[in-house]
Amino acid sequence: KAGVTQTPRYLIKTRGQQVTLSCSPISGHRSVSWYQQTPGQGLQFLFEYFSETQRNKGNFPGRFSGRQFSNSRSEMNVSTLELGDSALYLCASNRGQTNTEAFFGQGTRLTVV
Amino acid sequence: GQNIDQPTEMTATEGAIVQINCTYQTSGFNGLFWYQQHAGEAPTFLSYNVLDGLEEKGRFSSFLSRSKGYSYLLLKELQMKDSASYLCAVRDSNYQLIWGAGTKLIIKP
Repeated sequence: KAGVTQTPRYLIKTRGQQVTLSCSPISGHRSVSWYQQTPGQGLQFLFEYFSETQRNKGNFPGRFSGRQFSNSRSEMNVSTLELGDSALYLCASNRGQTNTEAFFGQGTRLTVV
Repeated sequence: GQNIDQPTEMTATEGAIVQINCTYQTSGFNGLFWYQQHAGEAPTFLSYNVLDGLEEKGRFSSFLSRSKGYSYLLLKELQMKDSASYLCAVRDSNYQLIWGAGTKLIIKP
């Protein structure tokens, strides 16, 4: 079966712009989580969606938002981009059960200049 | 606050055994995961522990002690392809995954 698909793979944006990233989970998976990964910082949790509802939220400013559609696809939006937002943004999906592993997409590499 | 600690980097020799430790302090505990991440690639699942003890899966084993807030990942018969970062993650009382910064493992011939 197809894995988690993230688009685009690479993105260059200018400070102050906004960006939307997309994630299509594995078929049948209802939970989608978003992470920011920067060198030396590990994975920082942004938010988790389950059946179109935000179930958990990390400690990121309100410029970071997301949503999930009825087909479980999810989007993440960052407004008023800052240089520090440059990172790899990873999306992970799972069936929604607590003891199951998450499957990650290849990520979107965002560079803010 | 919640915290996951792992060594930043480790070096081992091909064919040897290496143990990567992870200590955690989280609000509740609902399982611990280990992931492998090769440079430029997505993390991939290695193991899951929710009860104390050792889980063995081929060359990889993972151990958990909930009373000590401690886990380790044991890699045997190291191969060059095992060079990667190894991420420890704990699911807390809100079922949110808290991640360590990862341990970069370098395998030398």
